[in-house]
Amino acid sequence: DGGITQSPKYLFRKEGQNVTLSCEQNLNHDAMYWYRQDPGQGLRLIYYSQIVNDFQKGDIAEGYSVSREKKESFPLTVTSAQKNPTAFYLCASSIDRGRAQVRTGELFFGEGSRLTVL
Amino acid sequence: EDKVVQSPLSLVVHEGDTVTLNCSYEVTNFRSLLWYKQEKKAPTFLFMLTSSGIEKKSGRLSSILDKKELFSILNITATQTGDSAVYLCAVGASGNMLTFGGGTRLMVKP
Repeated sequence: DGGITQSPKYLFRKEGQNVTLSCEQNLNHDAMYWYRQDPGQGLRLIYYSQIVNDFQKGDIAEGYSVSREKKESFPLTVTSAQKNPTAFYLCASSIDRGRAQVRTGELFFGEGSRLTVL
Repeated sequence: EDKVVQSPLSLVVHEGDTVTLNCSYEVTNFRSLLWYKQEKKAPTFLFMLTSSGIEKKSGRLSSILDKKELFSILNITATQTGDSAVYLCAVGASGNMLTFGGGTRLMVKP
């Protein structure tokens, strides 16, 4: 089945540690995104990538880093510089370099990763 | 800065009730408005609206957009416990990115 797989589903981290969240898609989508969701809030865009080896900062990129070495993969690293990293992280993809997500609504989401900093 | 505001923040109703969720927006170069349902983890797509006054309908759910007054509503009739979820509104504008609202948490009691 085609879809987006995020791992791990739950992650605990001590302060000062970097952690990497995995996102893999087999939908052959060009664009991939990382969102952060805090309790009672909507989704805020961290980073997005419209093509391999290229990515752009979203609204809240500070303290995060990404890479896009393969079309299928868009890992997110939460660094120790992120002051308030406890949150629910959602990865998404869309079919056509970000444009189709607006025309068709085809933004596909993974199941999310919940990060808790102890 | 693009802005999307949803109301109410949360809502508790009983099965069979009808609910209306609101989404207002201020964006540059509006392209579309989308509604998603988030039950536990991954949001799932409900509707995309691009034109004013044209109702989109799927079963007991319907939505309409008013581009003059800059808002959309999502109606759910004859609510069921399975409708309990967070409903997210998102607007696509310049730059092709989606701006999400804060969501409305709906709880339907038996």
